[in-house]
Amino acid sequence: DAGVIQSPRHEVTEMGQEVTLRCKPISGHNSLFWYRQTMMRGLELLIYFNNNVPIDDSGMPEDRFSAKMPNASFSTLKIQPSEPRDSAVYFCASRTGRTNYGYTFGSGTRLTVV
Amino acid sequence: GENVEQHPSTLSVQEGDSAVIKCTYSDSASNYFPWYKQELGKGPQLIIDIRSNVGEKKDQRIAVTLNKTAKHFSLHITETQPEDSAVYFCAVPANQAGTALIFGKGTTLSVSS
Repeated sequence: DAGVIQSPRHEVTEMGQEVTLRCKPISGHNSLFWYRQTMMRGLELLIYFNNNVPIDDSGMPEDRFSAKMPNASFSTLKIQPSEPRDSAVYFCASRTGRTNYGYTFGSGTRLTVV
Repeated sequence: GENVEQHPSTLSVQEGDSAVIKCTYSDSASNYFPWYKQELGKGPQLIIDIRSNVGEKKDQRIAVTLNKTAKHFSLHITETQPEDSAVYFCAVPANQAGTALIFGKGTTLSVSS
């Protein structure tokens, strides 16, 4: 099992550019989560999907952020246009469809917007 | 919604000592309490969890205790080793549906030899 796979590991982009982060969940996991980690705010839930359907996107900070899950094995988080305050580590996590069970996190994407 | 507070934010111990990290939560209906360990440059990793039908769970040198009346749960690490140095996070379900987790702010544990 390769675990949750995120790409790229690092991304440096200029303010105003579009950024796309990618995630491949563990096969068979029905739930997928996107988190953002910063020193100031810790781990913040951005959005999550059950069976490829977005369930709660109340954590998405602005309309500049969007997420999709076109199939069970792939999800993207897009920021357009990016701003320096979006700089953070973005994590994807997946879990079986059963509630009250732990996640498996990916290694994260460190995003720097200059 | 649910809220979780974690203390202390930093903890320094000598190798071989015990370490205890505590989290308090607000929703008395919460019934799942995991702990995660994050090493530098990696994603958080689940190390132990407990459900509300038990008061304590152990796995070798780590244990979690739960006090539902007081709405707090704690991570206990005994015989600490340098490789235990990391950031530890507690988490609770964001709502009664239990789908998503919200995390505490983390505790940076440093174990010196």
